[in-house]
Amino acid sequence: DAGVIQSPRHEVTEMGQEVTLRCKPISGHNSLFWYRQTMMRGLELLIYFNNNVPIDDSGMPEDRFSAKMPNASFSTLKIQPSEPRDSAVYFCASSSGHQETQYFGPGTRLLVL
Amino acid sequence: AQSVTQLGSHVSVSEGALVLLRCNYSSSVPPYLFWYVQYPNQGLQLLLKYTTGATLVKGINGFEAEFKKSETSFHLTKPSAHMSDAAEYFCAVTSSGGYNKLIFGAGTRLAVHP
Repeated sequence: DAGVIQSPRHEVTEMGQEVTLRCKPISGHNSLFWYRQTMMRGLELLIYFNNNVPIDDSGMPEDRFSAKMPNASFSTLKIQPSEPRDSAVYFCASSSGHQETQYFGPGTRLLVL
Repeated sequence: AQSVTQLGSHVSVSEGALVLLRCNYSSSVPPYLFWYVQYPNQGLQLLLKYTTGATLVKGINGFEAEFKKSETSFHLTKPSAHMSDAAEYFCAVTSSGGYNKLIFGAGTRLAVHP
């Protein structure tokens, strides 16, 4: 079975532009997580979906960030407008239940100039 | 609130030597504990996890960890390091109730020298 798929793998954009990151969870998994990894703050949970419904978005840094999960096989994380401090690696992870192991995608490396 | 402390942001060992990566946790409820490994430019891969039962947990690639409640520790070990073990290792904790919100440690970068 394919793992978690993320696109793009790398994104370079200019400050003020809209950025959309995409994630396809493992088929059959009903929990999806978005994380951000930076040198300064390490790995942080941004948002958690269960059965396509956002359950915990307390980690979303500000209103510039939004996430959607329109169906069980697709999720997006959008930053609008982007800022240089948003530069990070963004990971998507999925699991088959809220107590089960999370499987991570390869990440999207975002650089905002 | 839960938290994880990984002692040593960088650990260097010789090939064939013992690997010991330290992790201490704080949790007011019975914890679930995890070790993940991250190779350069890749996502995190689960090495092993402890939920309940046997406190010595064996994982992939010859790694194991022991849950010690009295010491609030979950140290990761491997008897003999291999060059391919060079990576960053993350300890994480979640609670046995509610959803599995993982709280990660800062990570330990393991270097293996010939």
